[in-house]
Amino acid sequence: GENVEQHPSTLSVQEGDSAVIKCTYSDSASNYFPWYKQELGKGPQLIIDIRSNVGEKKDQRIAVTLNKTAKHFSLHITETQPEDSAVYFCAARYGNNRLAFGKGNQVVVIP
Amino acid sequence: DAMVIQNPRYQVTQFGKPVTLSCSQTLNHNVMYWYQQKSSQAPKLLFHYYDKDFNNEADTPDNFQSRRPNTSFCFLDIRSPGLGDAAMYLCATTQGIDGYTFGSGTRLTVV
Repeated sequence: GENVEQHPSTLSVQEGDSAVIKCTYSDSASNYFPWYKQELGKGPQLIIDIRSNVGEKKDQRIAVTLNKTAKHFSLHITETQPEDSAVYFCAARYGNNRLAFGKGNQVVVIP
Repeated sequence: DAMVIQNPRYQVTQFGKPVTLSCSQTLNHNVMYWYQQKSSQAPKLLFHYYDKDFNNEADTPDNFQSRRPNTSFCFLDIRSPGLGDAAMYLCATTQGIDGYTFGSGTRLTVV
């Protein structure tokens, strides 16, 4: 199966600074990499995703980059705001459209 | 409007007393998933359905079962809950080509 590693486990940033979360995956056949934001007591919400035929994707303050050769992908949040504080999960799709998740990253934006 | 609805949001059950969690979706997606998420951990896949085709993960305990009577509904049955089964249970759906849509989850407490 797929193994997804996510680093760092916690990240504190000053409001307005950028936050970067990195993930690595093991299955070279994986072709779809979503990122989810989970707020306390809620289910994960898809915030951005990238497919293996693309190297970068942006959506306002959020971007994701993918390096297929190195098998890693990263989430970039620019101009962070307090409402960006949450747990962020990366995931990689493997066999029969299942997702393997990383362990999550607690992002804290300090006002 | 919520598209994947999980009921109840919070469930307290006694040790060993069977409990059923429910999930419904208005998206008409053919794939549904049940994940278990323990505190500060990644969601762990328990079961998934392609239409009525049931698939359980190799390490899903026998104590857990699932039913999908129709496209819209899916149930998670825990036959004899133990203290280690306390977790957030997440239902998700997909049409197969995009990321999952998660429900808000059911937090299960075993007393």
